[in-house]
Amino acid sequence: GNSVTQMEGPVTLSEEAFLTINCTYTATGYPSLFWYVQYPGEGLQLLLKATKADDKGSNKGFEATYRKETTSFHLEKGSVQVSDSAVYFCALDTGRRALTFGSGTRLQVQP
Amino acid sequence: DADVTQTPRNRITKTGKRIMLECSQTKGHDRMYWYRQDPGLGLRLIYYSFDVKDINKGEISDGYSVSRQAQAKFSLSLESAIPNQTALYFCATMGADASSGANVLTFGAGSRLTVL
Repeated sequence: GNSVTQMEGPVTLSEEAFLTINCTYTATGYPSLFWYVQYPGEGLQLLLKATKADDKGSNKGFEATYRKETTSFHLEKGSVQVSDSAVYFCALDTGRRALTFGSGTRLQVQP
Repeated sequence: DADVTQTPRNRITKTGKRIMLECSQTKGHDRMYWYRQDPGLGLRLIYYSFDVKDINKGEISDGYSVSRQAQAKFSLSLESAIPNQTALYFCATMGADASSGANVLTFGAGSRLTVL
């Protein structure tokens, strides 16, 4: 079956540090890949997406590249801010029934 | 108004009580979902519906039931609540992104349920 594996958190960084959150997946076919973000007290919202191999999704300074050869979709940001503190979820969609989510990675950015 | 509205936002109840969580959407999407979020476990799919006449079980449907009253409304029921159903519940709709065609989920703000 499909699965998504994320690095465990929490990830604690100082403001302006470089961020990487690892995500690898197992899926049949050619899934679309997503990063969703959950700010405190809110529902999840789409951060970025990529629909085919080598695509780069980007939004709000975050980037992730769809790497089919390594089945990965790592999230990166060059300089994090306190306002980026949230839980980040990697997910995939094979177009069958529902997205498959990873377990989430909590990011804490300290001033 | 929010695209996906969940009610109630918070609920405390006792073991054995019947609880209904309601969800309504203004996105016009056919696909709707109920997920449960527990610390460290991410999101787990309870039920999903592709249209009013199509209801499907997810990975953790035991102890839950759903009703798709209309395209815009999808409610989740706990017939007899138990403490391990204490969690944060999310409703979501799915539709195609205009630019990429990828299926994108839009989530409600969540319903926090505590079963004592």
